[in-house]
Amino acid sequence: GDSVTQMEGPVTLSEEAFLTINCTYTATGYPSLFWYVQYPGEGLQLLLKATKADDKGSNKGFEATYRKETTSFHLEKGSVQVSDSAVYFCALKNQGGKLIFGQGTELSVKP
Amino acid sequence: DVKVTQSSRYLVKRTGEKVFLECVQDMDHENMFWYRQDPGLGLRLIYFSYDVKMKEKGDIPEGYSVSREKKERFSLILESASTNQTSMYLCASRSTGNTNYGYTFGSGTRLTVV
Repeated sequence: GDSVTQMEGPVTLSEEAFLTINCTYTATGYPSLFWYVQYPGEGLQLLLKATKADDKGSNKGFEATYRKETTSFHLEKGSVQVSDSAVYFCALKNQGGKLIFGQGTELSVKP
Repeated sequence: DVKVTQSSRYLVKRTGEKVFLECVQDMDHENMFWYRQDPGLGLRLIYFSYDVKMKEKGDIPEGYSVSREKKERFSLILESASTNQTSMYLCASRSTGNTNYGYTFGSGTRLTVV
């Protein structure tokens, strides 16, 4: 079945470090891909999305590129801040319209 | 802004109790969803509803039921709560006309069953 796999956390970085959170997927057809962020004590918020191959989603300094050849959608940010500390979820929307989530990656940014 | 409101942030219930988790959205969305979130497992879909009075089982419906009597409200029911239902529950909604968009989530209800 369709699935999403993320790198395991927690990921701990110093402020201004470069961030990569890996995400790969398995799905039939051409799913849409998403990154959601969950700040402490809150629900999930959509961070960025990409709906077709080679699309790049971006928001708040975060970027991810839909790579069909490697079935990946890695999240990157050039310089993280303490306020980026959160749990990040990669997700796909499959042909049936179902949203399928990865297990989440906790990011902790230290000053 | 679309708002999805879950009535309780924290709940503590006893084993065997009937538990109602309420979710209300204010943007006339047709689709609503209930997920549970557990460490290391991500979000798993319990039930969803495409419209009023419609419901579909998700991936883990056992021990749960739902009710959608009005378009804006989607209730999750634990018929007889058990300790393995201790979890964070997240409600989400989406417009049928915007299927390439993500979902809008509520803030979650952290349920503890003792």
